[in-house]
Amino acid sequence: DTGVSQNPRHKITKRGQNVTFRCDPISEHNRLYWYRQTLGQGPEFLTYFQNEAQLEKSRLLSDRFSAERPKGSFSTLEIQRTEQGDSAMYLCASSLTWDRRNTEAFFGQGTRLTVV
Amino acid sequence: RKEVEQDPGPFNVPEGATVAFNCTYSNSASQSFFWYRQDCRKEPKLLMSVYSSGNEDGRFTAQLNRASQYISLLIRDSKLSDSATYLCVVNGRENSGYSTLTFGKGTMLLVSP
Repeated sequence: DTGVSQNPRHKITKRGQNVTFRCDPISEHNRLYWYRQTLGQGPEFLTYFQNEAQLEKSRLLSDRFSAERPKGSFSTLEIQRTEQGDSAMYLCASSLTWDRRNTEAFFGQGTRLTVV
Repeated sequence: RKEVEQDPGPFNVPEGATVAFNCTYSNSASQSFFWYRQDCRKEPKLLMSVYSSGNEDGRFTAQLNRASQYISLLIRDSKLSDSATYLCVVNGRENSGYSTLTFGKGTMLLVSP
């Protein structure tokens, strides 16, 4: 499967615990996005990388959230001291970008986080 | 004004009906436009890109009006399998000079027999 891969698919954690999600983009894609989606809402932008550089971060991304893409390939999203309001689907997407123009993004199946 | 705004749903239509979705965007510097489809508890998938001249793919027609900052999606001869949430997506240039994809909330379509 050469699509976007996310792990784990589901995560249940206790409030206050730290969690880390992983995303493996399509191999030739230089751009990687993280989005969060709750029921009845469209995906909300969190952050994105152009290769290994993190270029934009949403206001939604509090100090408890951090994302990395160390070698410009896979990415991790960590949430520290989880809160119940963090419960959502976390979606990763990747795309190929040239000349600051963006082609369509391909999404992974997401990681569903439940904080109890 | 929200960055990307779509018709609130759901739209309930019978099979065979024609249905139109509307979307407006606030960033006049936006460059690329897409419609994505999302099935329940699945990831969004690209339905079609939207070009300035308008484009058609089978039963689906997308239109873009840059002057009005308006995008539409028309589905003809609706099928039961068209039932899903349709997401309007805009690629806008941010203050950094780079661009990111912004999603609308989505419009749910329910096609009934």
